[in-house]
Amino acid sequence: EAGVTQFPSHSVIEKGQTVTLRCDPISGHDNLYWYRRVMGKEIKFLLHFVKESKQDESGMPNNRFLAERTGGTYSTLKVQPAELEDSGVYFCASSPRTAFVTEAFFGQGTRLTVV
Amino acid sequence: AQSVSQHNHHVILSEAASLELGCNYSYGGTVNLFWYVQYPGQHLQLLLKYFSGDPLVKGIKGFEAEFIKSKFSFNLRKPSVQWSDTAEYFCAVNTNQAGTALIFGKGTTLSVSS
Repeated sequence: EAGVTQFPSHSVIEKGQTVTLRCDPISGHDNLYWYRRVMGKEIKFLLHFVKESKQDESGMPNNRFLAERTGGTYSTLKVQPAELEDSGVYFCASSPRTAFVTEAFFGQGTRLTVV
Repeated sequence: AQSVSQHNHHVILSEAASLELGCNYSYGGTVNLFWYVQYPGQHLQLLLKYFSGDPLVKGIKGFEAEFIKSKFSFNLRKPSVQWSDTAEYFCAVNTNQAGTALIFGKGTTLSVSS
C-alpha cells in the first residue's frame, strides 16, 4: 500500500514568488492534515480537511496560504507571495475517517527555503 | 491552550545505554498520546500510542512509554539503545475526538554512538 507522498521534496524560491506543495494521502483516507515545522520549533498544525471540506483551518498563518483538496483526493498548499519566514518543512498526514481516534500517517515532508 | 513539552533537545548515548525521553503535556481533558520517530531522510512514523487501558504501552523496536495521568507525562523508554535508534523523536497529543489534529513537542534528537 502506498504511503502519503509529497511533492516536491525540496523547493528553493525567492521572496515574493509563488510555490505550490502537493500531498497525495493514502487511498481512502478522508482526513488530510497539513503541518509545518519552522527550524528549531515544534511541528505546528496548519489545517485539516475531511474529504474536500476544510474542517479546521485555525493554524493557517495568514491569507498568503491557500489550501485546496478538490475532489477529496490530493491536496495542494499554495504560498503566494512567499516570505522568508515561510521557510520550513511542510508535512502532510492522512488518516481514515472513523468514529474513534486513529493514528495519522505522515509523508516525508517538503523542505521549503525562501531566499 | 494545549501544549507539549519535551525536556531534552539533544541526547547523546552509547550503544547499550538505557534511554528515557521526557514528555509532559498540558490539557485538562482526556487525551490520546503518541510518540513519533523520524529517522534521517525518512518520514515521521509512529512508535507507539496510548488511547486508553494499560498505561504502559509497548511499541515497535523495543520502545515503551508510560502514561502517568497525575503527572501529565508520557515518557518514552528503551532499556538498551542501538546505533540504528539515532533519530529525532516527537511526543504528540490530541483530544479524544475522532479526527482532531496533533499537537507536537519540539522534538528530541537522539544520537547513539557505536
